[in-house]
Amino acid sequence: KAGVTQTPRYLIKTRGQQVTLSCSPISGHRSVSWYQQTPGQGLQFLFEYFSETQRNKGNFPGRFSGRQFSNSRSEMNVSTLELGDSALYLCASSLGQGAGELFFGEGSRLTVL
Amino acid sequence: GESVGLHLPTLSVQEGDNSIINCAYSNSASDYFIWYKQESGKGPQFIIDIRSNMDKRQGQRVTVLLNKTVKHLSLQIAATQPGDSAVYFCVNNQGGKLIFGQGTELSVKP
Repeated sequence: KAGVTQTPRYLIKTRGQQVTLSCSPISGHRSVSWYQQTPGQGLQFLFEYFSETQRNKGNFPGRFSGRQFSNSRSEMNVSTLELGDSALYLCASSLGQGAGELFFGEGSRLTVL
Repeated sequence: GESVGLHLPTLSVQEGDNSIINCAYSNSASDYFIWYKQESGKGPQFIIDIRSNMDKRQGQRVTVLLNKTVKHLSLQIAATQPGDSAVYFCVNNQGGKLIFGQGTELSVKP
């Protein structure tokens, strides 16, 4: 069974640009959540989607958004990039909302110059 | 404030010894705790979980202890191996939203 797949793995953007990251969950998983990992703040919850609906949201500005498609694949978007948005963005999938083990992908490393 | 926090940022042990990684939690924590391991360049990986109706749970070479009186949990790794070198996170699951502690980096000396 394939694991959680995130694309792209690495990307470099400049301040003011926007970026879209993609996540394909494990087959059969309906919940997808996103986390930001930085050396200073550690791992922080961004949002969670279940059956195309955002069910949970962390404390991030509105520049951070996401969506989930009918096949459970998810994308997150960051607009008007800032230097502080440089981070590893991790996606995790699970069978259902709030239940069971979350399986993480290897992340998308974003560098903002 | 944060619902979980780790005691030590780093821990170094000799190969073959047992490792103990500690974590404290606050009143805002839910009753479901998970330990995750993150190796360099990879995403976090589930190790073991425990709910507050249990004091102890064992897996393969790992044991999690939960002390609700002092709001403390620990992860014990028996016969630590070089492959156990990683950052270990104490995590509180709040309805699918994971609250991560800062992590303890475990180094295993051969």
